[in-house]
Amino acid sequence: GESVGLHLPTLSVQEGDNSIINCAYSNSASDYFIWYKQESGKGPQFIIDIRSNMDKRQGQRVTVLLNKTVKHLSLQIAATQPGDSAVYFCAEKNQAGTALIFGKGTTLSVSS
Amino acid sequence: EPEVTQTPSHQVTQMGQEVILRCVPISNHLYFYWYRQILGQKVEFLVSFYNNEISEKSEIFDDQFSVERPDGSNFTLKIRSTKLEDSAMYFCASRTTMGDTEAFFGQGTRLTVV
Repeated sequence: GESVGLHLPTLSVQEGDNSIINCAYSNSASDYFIWYKQESGKGPQFIIDIRSNMDKRQGQRVTVLLNKTVKHLSLQIAATQPGDSAVYFCAEKNQAGTALIFGKGTTLSVSS
Repeated sequence: EPEVTQTPSHQVTQMGQEVILRCVPISNHLYFYWYRQILGQKVEFLVSFYNNEISEKSEIFDDQFSVERPDGSNFTLKIRSTKLEDSAMYFCASRTTMGDTEAFFGQGTRLTVV
């Protein structure tokens, strides 16, 4: 079946550190993945996406890595800032391609 | 920047009552979604809607739920007879195409069933 999950429910880092948030997925046929950020009381906000024909994609201060061999996805945030504190979800396109399936989320706490 | 808007932000309702949650998707988007998030849990897919009909629905989306696009701009989720376990944040989302594009989410409606 389809399921997307994250390894750790919480991650605490110091301001300026690099953060790595991990996600494991089970559907080997998945070909599109997204990372969302959800701040308290708000809806999920798009951060970055990656297609399965890529191993790595970089954005502003964020990098997503995809390892299809072990079905693992990670989000790296460089020079983490207090404003990065939020819950981070990975999501994959479902088999029908009609919806996104979300993982459980990792709460990132950044202390200054 | 265009955004998905949802109303109300918070709805409290008695168990057994009907509720309608409203959403205005981004204007040039063609695909619409409802998701829900029970407190502290992951975001769960409810239903997708395209070309004025449901394209897919999850197991959660039973006969108590319905969606409608009544006037070409609003997209509504109706829960016919609310249960305590329907208490959650409900998010509307939209996207331009079915392909590999992100969905844009609204701020959500917090539904509390008492």
